[in-house]
Amino acid sequence: NAGVMQNPRHLVRRRGQEARLRCSPMKGHSHVYWYRQLPEEGLKFMVYLQKENIIDESGMPKERFSAEFPKEGPSILRIQQVVRGDSAAYFCASSRTNNQPQHFGDGTRLSIL
Amino acid sequence: KNEVEQSPQNLTAQEGEFITINCSYSVGISALHWLQQHPGGGIVSLFMLSSGKKKHGRLIATINIQEKHSSLHITASHPRDSAVYICAVKRVSGGSNYKLTFGKGTLLTVNP
Repeated sequence: NAGVMQNPRHLVRRRGQEARLRCSPMKGHSHVYWYRQLPEEGLKFMVYLQKENIIDESGMPKERFSAEFPKEGPSILRIQQVVRGDSAAYFCASSRTNNQPQHFGDGTRLSIL
Repeated sequence: KNEVEQSPQNLTAQEGEFITINCSYSVGISALHWLQQHPGGGIVSLFMLSSGKKKHGRLIATINIQEKHSSLHITASHPRDSAVYICAVKRVSGGSNYKLTFGKGTLLTVNP
């Protein structure tokens, strides 16, 4: 029973490029959460999705960031026109319902040159 | 002031010592999580608790809802316990009871 799978583990982009981060939740989990961990800071909530729906995106910057969780396939966190300040570890978690424990992936470490 | 405060920020121990990491929070919660993160690694959920005490192997987590405080204890610590330990709370607030709010973590180093 595979856990939460995130890819890639490491992603390097130049300023202005696009970054796409993928998250496949655990089997049977339809709730997905994205968190960002900036250097020397704690984890911060970004967005919460259920299949095909964004439930709460209050923690996500209004510009350049978007997230989706299509009916088929992984959840995608997309960052357009990346800047140096986007360098961080991005973690995805999933749960069966929003009352049950969240299981985390190994994260994607994004570096912007 | 952060809604979730952990202490200490850094902790160094000798192998075999009993470890305590503390977490205080200032908001109403439905549950509290303890997470473990190895350097450059992923995040592992250790416990989710809403009352009392839970034990798993050498790890024990307790929570006092009235005092808004939780502790994570490690008995007979080992160098492989070296990691960052993160406290996170699930808030009870108007329909957003899925959000986790995190402490900044405690870096534990256990020397052989």
